[in-house]
Amino acid sequence: QQQVKQSPQSLIVQKGGISIINCAYENTAFDYFPWYQQFPGKGPALLIAIRPDVSEKKEGRFTISFNKSAKQFSLHIMDSQPGDSATYFCAATILLAAGNKLTFGGGTRVLVKP
Amino acid sequence: DAGVIQSPRHEVTEMGQEVTLRCKPISGHDYLFWYRQTMMRGLELLIYFNNNVPIDDSGMPEDRFSAKMPNASFSTLKIQPSEPRDSAVYFCASNTDPEGTYGYTFGSGTRLTVV
Repeated sequence: QQQVKQSPQSLIVQKGGISIINCAYENTAFDYFPWYQQFPGKGPALLIAIRPDVSEKKEGRFTISFNKSAKQFSLHIMDSQPGDSATYFCAATILLAAGNKLTFGGGTRVLVKP
Repeated sequence: DAGVIQSPRHEVTEMGQEVTLRCKPISGHDYLFWYRQTMMRGLELLIYFNNNVPIDDSGMPEDRFSAKMPNASFSTLKIQPSEPRDSAVYFCASNTDPEGTYGYTFGSGTRLTVV
């Protein structure tokens, strides 16, 4: 059972454009939602994260929007750059539960064209 | 810190052979996770340890898979016998913040090909 659904599977955006990736979760006990960025041949790396007590978090060109009632959250990459080309994973976990094991979405491959 | 170190980076083996993947977590991290990544199933948690003790192995696909953590600085994931459907990238990750807010640190993975 996939508890975190991510879309789209891939997207192409022009340099300077906005990339938007959406995720939906089922388990209302989830209380921490990180995003990971993965480059080819590398492991995923933490990009940005949000807790459900805030509706938005911004770090540089990356913004997470969170809608608790809809059980949805999204990543916006503003002014997309070719160096942002990577696979992005949303994830969810229950903080303070043993191990904080992450449940990942299926990933979105982003290609930023120069 | 060198980060999470995995070896080998690539492994090609024949069906039926035993395969051992290795991981060295970041010093001081008390949680260690093994994930498998495939195109079809994405990132799947196989097993995780806390203070060298396996906590949840419900993601281990079958008895052919086993994992150990003999000490705080070393873990292995073993597949015996290996099958072509085990071909995937296997990641090890470690974590220490009990709230998880610093996120996992992943290794660079081991790409396993079973022919």
